Amino acid sequence: EAQVTQNPRYLITVTGKKLTVTCSQNMNHEYMSWYRQDPGLGLRQIYYSMNVEVTDKGDVPEGYKVSRKEKRNFPLILESPSPNQTSLYFCASSFVRTGNYGYTFGSGTRLTVV
Amino acid sequence: SQQGEEDPQALSIQEGENATMNCSYKTSINNLQWYRQNSGRGLVHLILIRSNEREKHSGRLRVTLDTSKKSSSLLITASRAADTASYFCATDAFQGNKLVFGAGTILRVKS
Repeated sequence: EAQVTQNPRYLITVTGKKLTVTCSQNMNHEYMSWYRQDPGLGLRQIYYSMNVEVTDKGDVPEGYKVSRKEKRNFPLILESPSPNQTSLYFCASSFVRTGNYGYTFGSGTRLTVV
Repeated sequence: SQQGEEDPQALSIQEGENATMNCSYKTSINNLQWYRQNSGRGLVHLILIRSNEREKHSGRLRVTLDTSKKSSSLLITASRAADTASYFCATDAFQGNKLVFGAGTILRVKS
């Protein structure tokens, strides 16, 4: 089944403790992206990647890192999480840019930083 | 930054009725897409309409696009309780490499 898999689904952590949210897709998509969703603010892009070893900042990149060492994986790293990073996170993938294709989203990771 | 603005913010209808949601945006676009999100879950791509298209159908979904007014509408015909969800428009606006999402319309279909 074609899908984007995120792990974990839920995560509660403490301020300052480094964490990684994994994202993997099995559709051979070049483009991958991370979004966060917050009430009243909608979905905002954190980082995106056009292909292996090519990443760039989205609208809200502060406090996050990403890497794209393999085409299928695009992990989101929070080096020192803070409470304002409490949010619902989504990974998405697509062929090339959006072009004429929609995104496939993962099921989300609900992160709470205390 | 949000480019798309959905209207209404919330909509409650009876099963079998039609639901119409509108989206307005600000800049020129390559395409406009609609997504559905069930509570707390991932977004599901519903339909994409290119800037040179005016109308598109997919099952019970009908999307229109008016680039002169920078607006789009999503019509769900013969709604079902399972259509209860949030619906988002998203624009591919030639600005960087991202879709820009609106705030969404919450649709509730009562059985």
